[in-house]
Amino acid sequence: EVQLLESGGGLVQPGGSLRLSCAASGFTFNIYGMTWVRQAPGKGLDWVSTISGSDGSTYYADSVKGRFTISRDNSKNTLYLQMNSLRAEDTAVYHCAKGTPAGSRDYFDPWGRGTLVTVSS
Amino acid sequence: EIVLTQSPATLSLSPGERATLSCRASQSVGRYLAWYQQKPGQAPRLLIYDASNRATGIPARFSGSGSGTDFTLTISSLEPEDFAVYYCQQRSNWPLTFGGGTQVEIK
Repeated sequence: EVQLLESGGGLVQPGGSLRLSCAASGFTFNIYGMTWVRQAPGKGLDWVSTISGSDGSTYYADSVKGRFTISRDNSKNTLYLQMNSLRAEDTAVYHCAKGTPAGSRDYFDPWGRGTLVTVSS
Repeated sequence: EIVLTQSPATLSLSPGERATLSCRASQSVGRYLAWYQQKPGQAPRLLIYDASNRATGIPARFSGSGSGTDFTLTISSLEPEDFAVYYCQQRSNWPLTFGGGTQVEIK
């Protein structure tokens, strides 16, 4: 069974940093595209970033480009999101999601339950 | 950026009724469109991909249709567990985008 378990969320001040992790199991992690999607409280889904399953290419929403960095450690089956210069509008539940083999522009199946990031002073 | 507009925002129906949800794209996405279901406190679940293909384990009462800019998700006969929020998503172009969602609520 595929499982994705996010961690690392919490309360951080504006301008601060946080690193999210997503521990994956139940599939051959290193060949799959992986994505972070966020959901602000009571709002819809918002794509954040993708790392491809083939060459490790990375893609970012304009709203996070230059502030967030997606990465993966295939030896640990773990996906990361380093978030710097955080703003109040980054407050959301952050979900990791599995894409397709060697994929980048993907659909997502399954998703993790998410980790809450709150940016507030 | 491709904008996906979902309608209606809220659909009030009774169990056993047919639900028809719409997703319109600001430019053609071909058939590169998916539908997700999200229940309160849960992660989204993939229902339909490439406009009309059911994901693994999805009941046959869920069907998708459309291409280009106009897409439809149909639930043929609503079960109690189908009352949820539904989102569409395109993978035709970067950035990947989602629609704003349609809430299917019990009438």
